[in-house]
Amino acid sequence: AQSVTQLDSQVPVFEEAPVELRCNYSSSVSVYLFWYVQYPNQGLQLLLKYLSGSTLVESINGFEAEFNKSQTSFHLRKPSVHISDTAEYFCAVRAPGAGSYQLTFGKGTKLSVIP
Amino acid sequence: DADVTQTPRNRITKTGKRIMLECSQTKGHDRMYWYRQDPGLGLRLIYYSFDVKDINKGEISDGYSVSRQAQAKFSLSLESAIPNQTALYFCATSANQETQYFGPGTRLLVL
Repeated sequence: AQSVTQLDSQVPVFEEAPVELRCNYSSSVSVYLFWYVQYPNQGLQLLLKYLSGSTLVESINGFEAEFNKSQTSFHLRKPSVHISDTAEYFCAVRAPGAGSYQLTFGKGTKLSVIP
Repeated sequence: DADVTQTPRNRITKTGKRIMLECSQTKGHDRMYWYRQDPGLGLRLIYYSFDVKDINKGEISDGYSVSRQAQAKFSLSLESAIPNQTALYFCATSANQETQYFGPGTRLLVL
């Protein structure tokens, strides 16, 4: 079984400042890792994912996350946030394999960008 | 058009009533899922289906039932709604072990 811990429930940050949203996971097997974003009054959208290969993955809107196996982390970063980044961010993990179904979510981190 | 649609988007009902939430997808995925989201708890899996003949309970299936009417349709029913089922409900789809794609959600209030 897997579990996900998002260490911060709320993160306020000023516009154009850098931000890091932390995610740690626990698993007895190798995992796939995901970050989803939920804008106000909308569903979840995939932001980025790590399946294999390069440990640094990037999204089209400037976010990046780095898979760190030794620290079991997948922190999300952006060097300069914009007002439009205000949303709730969910880290999720699942085991690889055709029979795997369980996508385990963290409790979410609300990012508030302050003008 | 959206790939995953949910109806209704908002619903208010009374304790004891039976209600159905519907999900349709045009992505051609075999796997479909129902989650509920509660503030501060993230998303929790209610039921999932790998194909039309395969339905499985998730983490919190008590008080819920589902029906997979076709590859593209997966409905969630609350047989007798209770107030602690007030939540935001999401349907999702995936192709095998690939990424899950979510619908816009249904906001349910049980009075």
